[in-house]
Amino acid sequence: NFMLTQPHSVSASPGETVTISCTRSSGSIASTFVQWYQQRPGTSPRTVIFEDSRRPSGVPDRFSGSVDRSSNSASLTISELKTEDEADYSCQSYDNTNHWVFGGGTRLTVL
Amino acid sequence: QVQLVESGGGVVQPGRSLRLSCAASGFTFSNYGMHWVRQAPGKGLEWVAVISYDATIKYYGDSVKGRFTISRDNSKNTLSLQLNSLREEDTAVYYCGKDYYLTSPAMHLCDYWGQGILVTVSS
Repeated sequence: NFMLTQPHSVSASPGETVTISCTRSSGSIASTFVQWYQQRPGTSPRTVIFEDSRRPSGVPDRFSGSVDRSSNSASLTISELKTEDEADYSCQSYDNTNHWVFGGGTRLTVL
Repeated sequence: QVQLVESGGGVVQPGRSLRLSCAASGFTFSNYGMHWVRQAPGKGLEWVAVISYDATIKYYGDSVKGRFTISRDNSKNTLSLQLNSLREEDTAVYYCGKDYYLTSPAMHLCDYWGQGILVTVSS
């Protein structure tokens, strides 16, 4: 099976843009879809990006997702940062037997 | 609106059993796969199990395979997780999640999540 590696933490100021990476250890990042989940302290996960770059209804277009084959990684980009974006963000994908894999999560601090 | 409400958590001794339930409403439950995902205190998310919309497909994470059993009752809009031979490392908040895909064996992501239920395994 493969692993998804995320930075432990990132920080930025309100109004800035931040990008969180998710690197796949083996196999192509493009071979399966990547999802991103937001989790504010004490709350359940919320899907903010699915199928690499699609946004659920209700998620602002400040959130975007992409995949880079050259680095074998997916990225979540949040622009025009707001204090309410402060949360843990986890990437997720799956293998060819439908077993899910989560990244370790990234704590976003909005200074 | 979609609602998922977990119940059945609590404190249990190592080696004992527990049964979690997830009551679903606001969507046609029998049309969607359902997942259990857990989060140990201070840790990241860990996928536990998935069951297809018609209960013909079930998959488990390596850490729970052989000890946990996922099931569903489409007549009662209820998802269940039977936790046997519990270990201290099973201590976590357990979330149920609705899969995104309609009547599909491709159960790749959740679009809705419950509020979670805490299971504490301790002697």
